[in-house]
Amino acid sequence: GQNIDQPTEMTATEGAIVQINCTYQTSGFNGLFWYQQHAGEAPTFLSYNVLDGLEEKGRFSSFLSRSKGYSYLLLKELQMKDSASYLCALPGGSTLGRLYFGRGTQLTVWP
Amino acid sequence: ETGVTQSPTHLIKTRGQQVTLRCSSQSGHNTVSWYQQALGQGPQFIFQYYREEENGRGNFPPRFSGLQFPNYSSELNVNALELDDSALYLCASSLGTSGTDTQYFGPGTRLTVL
Repeated sequence: GQNIDQPTEMTATEGAIVQINCTYQTSGFNGLFWYQQHAGEAPTFLSYNVLDGLEEKGRFSSFLSRSKGYSYLLLKELQMKDSASYLCALPGGSTLGRLYFGRGTQLTVWP
Repeated sequence: ETGVTQSPTHLIKTRGQQVTLRCSSQSGHNTVSWYQQALGQGPQFIFQYYREEENGRGNFPPRFSGLQFPNYSSELNVNALELDDSALYLCASSLGTSGTDTQYFGPGTRLTVL
């Protein structure tokens, strides 16, 4: 099975850097997704990591360590619009294309 | 914009009624997955359809059923609604059924059961 753990809430100020952690346990690793979800809206794709290391995409970066069952999302130069829930998700199980989501980390960015 | 649409946006039903939610996937995406998201939780997988056949199912009772059509549209049907069915229902489309295929979500249907 899949087990995903994320902090429930985080706060930060505009212009700062924040790191959102995700730890997981899985019976078979097929990569890890990060999604952003604003209140009442659909999750939107941020990143997919399948190899160890850091992948940078503009202000957002995602890191993976398969041996430690650990990933993080790094948000730089925070803006008010980054206030959202950040969801860590693993594909897998008997239906390979299904996603198992964590509860999400609600990030609030203060001016 | 993901190119995935859902209707209706909001819906209010009473306990025991039946509901049909609709989704239109991105053109060319043969796979649609449906998720239920309760307030403050991550989405929970209901089932997945690939080329009009059910390809997998999560831990949901049989009163949750689905259909996928050749024109990239799909439906989620829920019978005998219960209060706990109140949630945001999301559909997501992807090219295939691989775990590496990115899923693109629609805006969701907010269902309230009274």
